[in-house]
Amino acid sequence: QVHLVESGGGVVQPGRSLRLSCAASGFTFRSHAMHWVRQAPGKGLEWVAVISYDGSDENYADSVQGRFTISRDSSKNTLYLQMNSLRAEDTAVYYCARAGGYASSGYPLDRWGQGTLVTVSS
Amino acid sequence: EIVLTQSPGTLSLSLGERATLSCRASQSVSSNYLAWYQHKAGQAPRLLIYGASSRATGIPDRFSGSGSGTDFTLTISRLEPEDFAVFYCQQYGSSQTFGQGTKVEIK
Repeated sequence: QVHLVESGGGVVQPGRSLRLSCAASGFTFRSHAMHWVRQAPGKGLEWVAVISYDGSDENYADSVQGRFTISRDSSKNTLYLQMNSLRAEDTAVYYCARAGGYASSGYPLDRWGQGTLVTVSS
Repeated sequence: EIVLTQSPGTLSLSLGERATLSCRASQSVSSNYLAWYQHKAGQAPRLLIYGASSRATGIPDRFSGSGSGTDFTLTISRLEPEDFAVFYCQQYGSSQTFGQGTKVEIK
């Protein structure tokens, strides 16, 4: 069955960088767009970024534009989120999620991982 | 950016009761690309409804979605113990945005 496993979270100081990974299995990874969604403590879900099935299209939330970069390696069935210039407000559980199709819009998020916690604190 | 407003913030109901959750968009959602998710603490969110009214794979038929344009509703016909959670609507037609969530709690 579909499996998405995030890793790479931890405690990081403000201004530093962190890279999250999401290992995918149980489906044809290169056929699906992929997303990152986060949830800050006590808050709701916030969409972060999306990448199309072939990596040709990326979109970001305004709150992370210019600081975060989404990428994928289909040879490794892995999704990444490079997070630079981290701020306290980036503290959250980060989920990777599969889109129901290939494009970066027009598809719901039909499978989700369990999430990895990122804490930005000095 | 399309803003989604969910109401109520919290719904306190008993087992077997009907739950009606609302999601209002600040502008029309293209192609009714509106989804509903269930999220329990410490778990992965789960897709319930997509395209405003289509149930996702494996979702019981007590969950139903309706609406179009800017007004959407998620209905749970008879609450089961496992249904108590936070529910989010999401539009995926113009970039992506989530509503702020409705918590369904046991009365």
